[in-house]
Amino acid sequence: QVQLVQSGAEVKKPGASVKVSCKASGYTFSRYSLHWVRQAPGQGLEWMGRINAGNGDTKYSQNIHDRVTITGDTAANTVHMELRSLKSADTAVYYCARVDILTGGFDVWGQGTLVNVSS
Amino acid sequence: QSMLTQPPSVSGAAGQRVTISCTGSTSNIGAGYNVHWYQQLPGTAPRLLISANTNRPSGVPDRFSGSKSGTSASLAITGLQAEDEGDYYCQSFGSGLTVVFGGGTKLTVL
Repeated sequence: QVQLVQSGAEVKKPGASVKVSCKASGYTFSRYSLHWVRQAPGQGLEWMGRINAGNGDTKYSQNIHDRVTITGDTAANTVHMELRSLKSADTAVYYCARVDILTGGFDVWGQGTLVNVSS
Repeated sequence: QSMLTQPPSVSGAAGQRVTISCTGSTSNIGAGYNVHWYQQLPGTAPRLLISANTNRPSGVPDRFSGSKSGTSASLAITGLQAEDEGDYYCQSFGSGLTVVFGGGTKLTVL
């Protein structure tokens, strides 16, 4: 079945970087875009950016474009999200999500990865 | 700050009908972009509930329906059940095909 499986929880200190991975299975990886969405504790959903898994084209939210990089590995059917210069406000659950080609909605979500930034 | 506006909370008795509004602008919903709705139950990842304004993905009960008009959209839930308690988010696109979410609405079933 179609699924996205993310890497495990991380604990980082302020100023450090974190890299979260998202492995896709059950579909043709290169045909879809994958997005990253985060959710701080008790807060709503915040879009971070996306990658076209076929050609590697990326787009980022203006809020964090200077600290985030999304990359793809087509051989491993995996995308990675790296966030640099971490702050306590980056403590959140990070989700990867696939966009349905026909409708544009996020039809498949990863299980989420908790990143805790604490000194 | 969210670019789509939702009420922070709604509530209704079991069996009743509730609606959740999602108000955008001419830069997102009003520009013709589809609106999608997600349900997030406690401790779980969001789940696509309504896609492209009105479509229910396979497995979503027909108690859930969506509509869109102008710069706004709505999610309606009929026959409320206790299992519907959770957070609901609308989502669309903005300039440059950036993604925008509503702030979320907490549904309480009384």
